[in-house]
Amino acid sequence: QQQVKQSPQSLIVQKGGISIINCAYENTAFDYFPWYQQFPGKGPALLIAIRPDVSEKKEGRFTISFNKSAKQFSLHIMDSQPGDSATYFCAAPRPDSWGKLQFGAGTQVVVTP
Amino acid sequence: NAGVTQTPKFQVLKTGQSMTLQCAQDMNHNSMYWYRQDPGMGLRLIYYSASEGTTDKGEVPNGYNVSRLNKREFSLRLESAAPSQTSVYFCASRGMSSYNEQFFGPGTRLTVL
Repeated sequence: QQQVKQSPQSLIVQKGGISIINCAYENTAFDYFPWYQQFPGKGPALLIAIRPDVSEKKEGRFTISFNKSAKQFSLHIMDSQPGDSATYFCAAPRPDSWGKLQFGAGTQVVVTP
Repeated sequence: NAGVTQTPKFQVLKTGQSMTLQCAQDMNHNSMYWYRQDPGMGLRLIYYSASEGTTDKGEVPNGYNVSRLNKREFSLRLESAAPSQTSVYFCASRGMSSYNEQFFGPGTRLTVL
């Protein structure tokens, strides 16, 4: 049973456009919400994460926003580039353990030239 | 510094055969994880080890066993493989200084016929 719901499953965006991925969680042990990026044939790698008491974090073209009351958080990729084509996973700590993450189902992003 | 390494990269088994997936990390991390990745399911935790000598079941532990051989190594064993265990398996590790960031290996693609 997926405790973190991620949408959309896939999206296609033109180069220079904005990619938006949304996640909703049910319960979490701690307000820490990471996003992982995975290229084909590789393991996931941490892209960006937001920590407690912060509602938004920006790193370059990537921004996370967090709405605690709605239990939702999202990833925005500004000025999308073909090199951003990958699968993105959101995650949240499991209710029973800060050290265990529950992952969303993933979003495959394709950026067309 | 190789990070997290996994062997083998690919494996084909027949139903009922057994095998062990190996994982090692050279980052002096305490916590290690085994996940499976299936299309549309994200990453699901199989087993978790918070430190040497301890293991804990995750979301989908049935049909698997683990051994935390030492601080570096965490192996996953399939005693009697089933077609439902066809998946990509990822090992990950986490250290105290990395604020809950998990570092993933390159994965093992397992097919059970």
